[in-house]
Amino acid sequence: KAGVTQTPRYLIKTRGQQVTLSCSPISGHRSVSWYQQTPGQGLQFLFEYFSETQRNKGNFPGRFSGRQFSNSRSEMNVSTLELGDSALYLCASSLLAGGQGGEQFFGPGTRLTVL
Amino acid sequence: SQQGEEDPQALSIQEGENATMNCSYKTSINNLQWYRQNSGRGLVHLILIRSNEREKHSGRLRVTLDTSKKSSSLLITASRAADTASYFCATVGKAAGNKLTFGGGTRVLVKP
Repeated sequence: KAGVTQTPRYLIKTRGQQVTLSCSPISGHRSVSWYQQTPGQGLQFLFEYFSETQRNKGNFPGRFSGRQFSNSRSEMNVSTLELGDSALYLCASSLLAGGQGGEQFFGPGTRLTVL
Repeated sequence: SQQGEEDPQALSIQEGENATMNCSYKTSINNLQWYRQNSGRGLVHLILIRSNEREKHSGRLRVTLDTSKKSSSLLITASRAADTASYFCATVGKAAGNKLTFGGGTRVLVKP
């Protein structure tokens, strides 16, 4: 089975721009979660989608949004980028919804740099 | 905010030695998971221990969970250079909204 894939792997943007990141989960997985990883704040949960519905959301401003398609692929969007949005964005898929606490399979991440 | 806090933040050992790292958390949990991350790449799931379990083994890994102390430990026995990575504990619990909440991680360096 192919693993979780994320595109693009690296991205450089300037302040004020917007960005869309993509995640393709493992085949058969219906749950996709997104995380932001920075040296200062560590790994922080952004949101989880299950069967096209947002099930859970972390403490991030409304500039961060996401969606999930019928094939379980997910995208996250960050609008009006700020320098502090520079981070590694990780996507994870799982068979069960997050609340059922199963193992999550992570993609390699998208490294976003905001200049 | 982080639920789990790991100790130590960094660990340096020789190949063949054991590595132990600890994780403490604040609120009750359904389960606790350990993940490994190699140099800023994706995380790899190592082991999951449920709140009603006290100890679990997987290969050279041993995880313990003490819910009365709200703490867990990960032991890597007979470490190898390839074990060099950051290790994170993550908890799932109702109080945290049933989302996977990560600790700050322990950076482990295994010297050959």
